[in-house]
Amino acid sequence: NAGVMQNPRHLVRRRGQEARLRCSPMKGHSHVYWYRQLPEEGLKFMVYLQKENIIDESGMPKERFSAEFPKEGPSILRIQQVVRGDSAAYFCASSLSRDLNTEAFFGQGTRLTVV
Amino acid sequence: GEDVEQSLFLSVREGDSSVINCTYTDSSSTYLYWYKQEPGAGLQLLTYIFSNMDMKQDQRLTVLLNKKDKHLSLRIADTQTGDSAIYFCAETAEANNLFFGTGTRLTVIP
Repeated sequence: NAGVMQNPRHLVRRRGQEARLRCSPMKGHSHVYWYRQLPEEGLKFMVYLQKENIIDESGMPKERFSAEFPKEGPSILRIQQVVRGDSAAYFCASSLSRDLNTEAFFGQGTRLTVV
Repeated sequence: GEDVEQSLFLSVREGDSSVINCTYTDSSSTYLYWYKQEPGAGLQLLTYIFSNMDMKQDQRLTVLLNKKDKHLSLRIADTQTGDSAIYFCAETAEANNLFFGTGTRLTVIP
């Protein structure tokens, strides 16, 4: 059973381009969470999705950012018209359920660099 | 909003005990977690404690929770060089959204 898979591991984009980050949860997990880690900072929650539904997007910027978790395929975090401040590590986690004592497994992250 | 604070750096000698501290502000925190992040890797859950407990021990790891002071600590006994990593404290209350501290970078000196 593979862990949470994120790709690409590293992504370089020029200002104004689009960045698409993919996350395949662990097998059987239908709950996906995206976090952003800025340099020298902790992780900040962005969005929580369950298959085909966005449950909580309170941590996601209102503009340029969107997330989806389709019925088939990975979850996608999409950042349009990237700016330098979007440079960060983006981590995805998945869990079996929403119970608080259910472990969330993290992927290795995608490191986005905007040049 | 929720705020979770940790000191940024800690250095210990191999074989000594490490104590990593964390304070949080959300009085409704239900679960508190410790995650370990090794270079270039994702986060690995080390242990968690429910808010109605004040101590949890798991092999070399001891978690202490002072709910009154909103203070959480992680003690690593007999610290090894492989324990060098960044340790994140996190808490969650209702919505299963984890709030993380800035992380403490533990350096183990041989």
